[in-house]
Order: sequence, then structure tokens, then C-alpha cells
Amino acid sequence: ETGVTQSPTHLIKTRGQQVTLRCSSQSGHNTVSWYQQALGQGPQFIFQYYREEENGRGNFPPRFSGLQFPNYSSELNVNALELDDSALYLCASSFHRDRFDEQYFGPGTRLTVT
Amino acid sequence: AQTVTQSQPEMSVQEAETVTLSCTYDTSESDYYLFWYKQPPSRQMILVIRQEAYKQQNATENRFSVNFQKAAKSFSLKISDSQLGDAAMYFCAYRTFYGGATNKLIFGTGTLLAVQP
Repeated sequence: ETGVTQSPTHLIKTRGQQVTLRCSSQSGHNTVSWYQQALGQGPQFIFQYYREEENGRGNFPPRFSGLQFPNYSSELNVNALELDDSALYLCASSFHRDRFDEQYFGPGTRLTVT
Repeated sequence: AQTVTQSQPEMSVQEAETVTLSCTYDTSESDYYLFWYKQPPSRQMILVIRQEAYKQQNATENRFSVNFQKAAKSFSLKISDSQLGDAAMYFCAYRTFYGGATNKLIFGTGTLLAVQP
């Protein structure tokens, strides 16, 4: 069983640029959630995708957008990067069912905006 | 809105000793899940233990156990026989119970646990 993978591991961008982060969900999972973890903080929910549709969003501006593909992998896109976007971005996959669906996390992508 | 609070930014324990990490939360829901996650330097978030709010019995996973006090909205993690590999950042997290809702996790700010040999 393949776990959740994310790419790239590290990324350095300049303020104003755009970035795309990628996530491959665990085999058999159909839901992907993205979290932003600023230094010294707990992860904050950005949004979730279920069956290629956005299924809930946290308090993040529209320049944070996402996609989920038919194979349930996902992308997180951030436009007009700001210095405060520097963080660890975590992806978590799960299998959606009626009750509990455990989220399995990837190792994250460390984004630095200069 | 639900909130999770971890008031201990750092804790330290001697190898083989027991340590307790604290967590409080606020919610108006009656059914929900609570979790403790471990994040080692490798950054990968690992689920340590889960508690369903409708269960009165405290969850236990090997050396890890919780003290769930629903009325007090308290959820502490006890690590027994601490090992060097337990050193990590520990996050308390909340999730709503009901199916169909976004199963987002709400995290606290974390407690950094150091294990002294």
C-alpha cells in the first residue's frame, strides 16, 4: 500500500509569483485535504476535495485554489505569493464514508517566499 | 466555532518515565472526535490515538492513553515508559462527528516533547 506523497519537498519562490504543490493520495482514498502549517503553529485547514469537487474551505483567500484529478491526486495552487505564505503545506488523504474516515498525512512541502 | 488549546509549548521527560500533555477544547457539539498526532522532525503527521466523544471509556494504544473529561472539555495524553523515539511535536486535534460534513481537523498549537536519556 503506497502512502501519501507530496512534491516538491522544498520550494523557494519570490513574492508575487505563483506556485503549484502536488499530492498523491494513498491507494483506495478518494478525499484530499490541504493544510498550511506556519512555523511554530498547528496546521490550518485550507480546503478539501472529494470526487474532484471542493468539499469545504477554511479561512483562506481565493488566491488559494485546488484541483483533484480522476485518480484522486490533487494540486494546491497559490497565486500572488506573499511573505506570510511561507509555511509547511500538508496534504492528507482519506476514504470518505458516513462516519469516521482517518486522514493520512504526507511529509509536506516546505514553501519559502522571499 | 470550535477551538483547541494546548497550554504547554514545551515539555521534557526522562527516558522510561511518564509524561502527560494537556489539551482543552471548546465546542457546542455533543458528538465529535478528538485526536493526538505526533509530528517528528521528518514532518510527517502520525496519528497516535483517537477518542470518540460518545464513548466514556478512555482510549488506550500501548504506552499511550488519554484522560477524556467531556464535561470539562479536557483531553490529555499520557505517555508511559517514555522512549527516545517519542521526542516530537504533539498536536491535539478536533473533528466534527457527523457524516457529510467536511472532516476537517482543527489543531492546537502543539507541545514539543523532549526525552532525556
